[in-house]
Amino acid sequence: KQEVTQIPAALSVPEGENLVLNCSFTDSAIYNLQWFRQDPGKGLTSLLLIQSSQREQTSGRLNASLDKSSGRSTLYIAASQPGDSATYLCAVSRITGTASKLTFGTGTRLQVTL
Amino acid sequence: GAGVSQSPSNKVTEKGKDVELRCDPISGHTALYWYRQSLGQGLEFLIYFQGNSAPDKSGLPSDRFSAERTGGSVSTLTIQRTQQEDSAVYLCASSLALGRNEQFFGPGTRLTVL
Repeated sequence: KQEVTQIPAALSVPEGENLVLNCSFTDSAIYNLQWFRQDPGKGLTSLLLIQSSQREQTSGRLNASLDKSSGRSTLYIAASQPGDSATYLCAVSRITGTASKLTFGTGTRLQVTL
Repeated sequence: GAGVSQSPSNKVTEKGKDVELRCDPISGHTALYWYRQSLGQGLEFLIYFQGNSAPDKSGLPSDRFSAERTGGSVSTLTIQRTQQEDSAVYLCASSLALGRNEQFFGPGTRLTVL
């Protein structure tokens, strides 16, 4: 059974700092990995999708890397801003039969302070 | 519409009543997914649809839960004889197709069973 772990569970940094969020998964037979952010009381916003054949994806100040063989992904946020405060979730998809199910990590709650 | 929409946004019901939750996916997305997010459980996969077909219902918590999709578009998740442990946020997502495609989430329906 796929298990996804995110470390740290919570993180507080001052504005302007660069930071790294970690995600690890136990079954490397994944189709892709997606990073999301979730604001309190809201749904999930997709940030980046990395296919299993890729090693990284970039969008603005965000860079996500994937090392499938070691079961790890990192989300790098450059020059953090208070608006980045949210819970960040990683999720891996694994094809079982004809399904494409996302298995989520427990999230990292990020607070960027002024 | 521009994104995945869900209704109602909030639902409070009494134990034992039936509830229906609605999801309207992004136009043109053939795959639709339901997830549940509850305190202490994280995000768990419930069911997916490819077109109007739901080949894998193993993620549904009990036989009180059912889902259907008509016309390859709107989906409803029905919970019969609700229990307090059904209280959670129910999230719907859609993607262009099953497999490697990014999943886009709706804002969710917060269900509270008294």
